Amino acid sequence: SAVISQKPSRDICQRGTSLTIQCQVDSQVTMMFWYRQQPGQSLTLIATANQGSEATYESGFVIDKFPISRPNLTFSTLTVSNMSPEDSSIYLCSVDRTGSDYGYTFGSGTRLTVV
Amino acid sequence: DAKTTQPNSMESNEEEPVHLPCNHSTISGTDYIHWYRQLPSQGPEYVIHGLTSNVNNRMASLAIAEDRKSSTLILHRATLRDAAVYYCILRVGGSEKLVFGKGTKLTVNP
Repeated sequence: SAVISQKPSRDICQRGTSLTIQCQVDSQVTMMFWYRQQPGQSLTLIATANQGSEATYESGFVIDKFPISRPNLTFSTLTVSNMSPEDSSIYLCSVDRTGSDYGYTFGSGTRLTVV
Repeated sequence: DAKTTQPNSMESNEEEPVHLPCNHSTISGTDYIHWYRQLPSQGPEYVIHGLTSNVNNRMASLAIAEDRKSSTLILHRATLRDAAVYYCILRVGGSEKLVFGKGTKLTVNP
């Protein structure tokens, strides 16, 4: 299955600032997915990122707050903008290797604390 | 988005089989049934998936009801390392995204 490197693994940020999270995959993939996991909760899909096109956001998430870049088939970034304490969560990226029998692979996540 | 229903929590003893149930009564013919698990402080990990027939792999078995409205993940011999939250997810046919439910927290007792 694919190997995902996600950076940073954790960060503590001041409210009102922005943080960019990077997701690097060891092979080319068509789609990359960004999730948020609030404390003690399940995962919520933020958006789907295709290379060469704008990301598709799920209900409740907007581009101004969570801009996403997808410059090539192995890399994506998610920015959490103008942060507030409510943005404190784990953010994870995920990929699906088309044709793979191993399902989707998830990064280990970025644990964000906003103070 | 397709919905699944799972018990909030289950307990098992080490080295015993575990049957984790999932109801998905609104499943349609092209929806795949996926199972993932999330160990503490880690991202979700793929366990198994299937469409209509039962599936086996090195981690687990997936038993799918004949009407496909329910499925069961079977861990044949639970170990302490299997303690995790297990998510049953329907991947809607034609869609690439996975939408997570609340999952079942499995506790394995020594």
